[in-house]
Amino acid sequence: AQTVTQSQPEMSVQEAETVTLSCTYDTSESDYYLFWYKQPPSRQMILVIRQEAYKQQNATENRFSVNFQKAAKSFSLKISDSQLGDAAMYFCAYRSSTSGTYKYIFGTGTRLKVLA
Amino acid sequence: EPEVTQTPSHQVTQMGQEVILRCVPISNHLYFYWYRQILGQKVEFLVSFYNNEISEKSEIFDDQFSVERPDGSNFTLKIRSTKLEDSAMYFCASSERLVSRTQFFGPGTRLTVL
Repeated sequence: AQTVTQSQPEMSVQEAETVTLSCTYDTSESDYYLFWYKQPPSRQMILVIRQEAYKQQNATENRFSVNFQKAAKSFSLKISDSQLGDAAMYFCAYRSSTSGTYKYIFGTGTRLKVLA
Repeated sequence: EPEVTQTPSHQVTQMGQEVILRCVPISNHLYFYWYRQILGQKVEFLVSFYNNEISEKSEIFDDQFSVERPDGSNFTLKIRSTKLEDSAMYFCASSERLVSRTQFFGPGTRLTVL
């Protein structure tokens, strides 16, 4: 069975600085999808970034980028120029590409604090 | 921008009572999901639903749980006889199609079973 691990329960970053959130996963599959979701306090989870495992190029979305290391089964999220609005819970998620399996498998989350 | 909505935001119930959690997925989405998060634990998959039937369910989703799409807009999760351990945040999600892979989540319903 696949598992997702986020080893940092909480992280802090100064406004305008860069922070990296870690995520590792375990799978025997070669094709799958990885996601980072952000959950602000009392709000829904929103997609930050998505990576297809067959793509070697790391995904980027504005100030958000990932470091996808397939062999190491690592999928970290880098937030550049951190803003106060980035403060949230961040969840890493895995989704198989196997037909008939559509569920996400989540990590436990990392709470990011942004210090002014 | 379209969003998934859920009602109520907080539900308090007595053990053994039935509860229905409601979700309105994004209107052109075809695939629907329920997840739950017990306080301090991971978000866990419960069930996925497509074309008016369950397409996948987890071991958590036992006979006490059921899902339904009673009309063209709502998607409901029913717990027949709630237990203390059902206390959790329940998230509904929807996706446009399987290939899109991206699920859009609602804000959740906090269920408290006393």
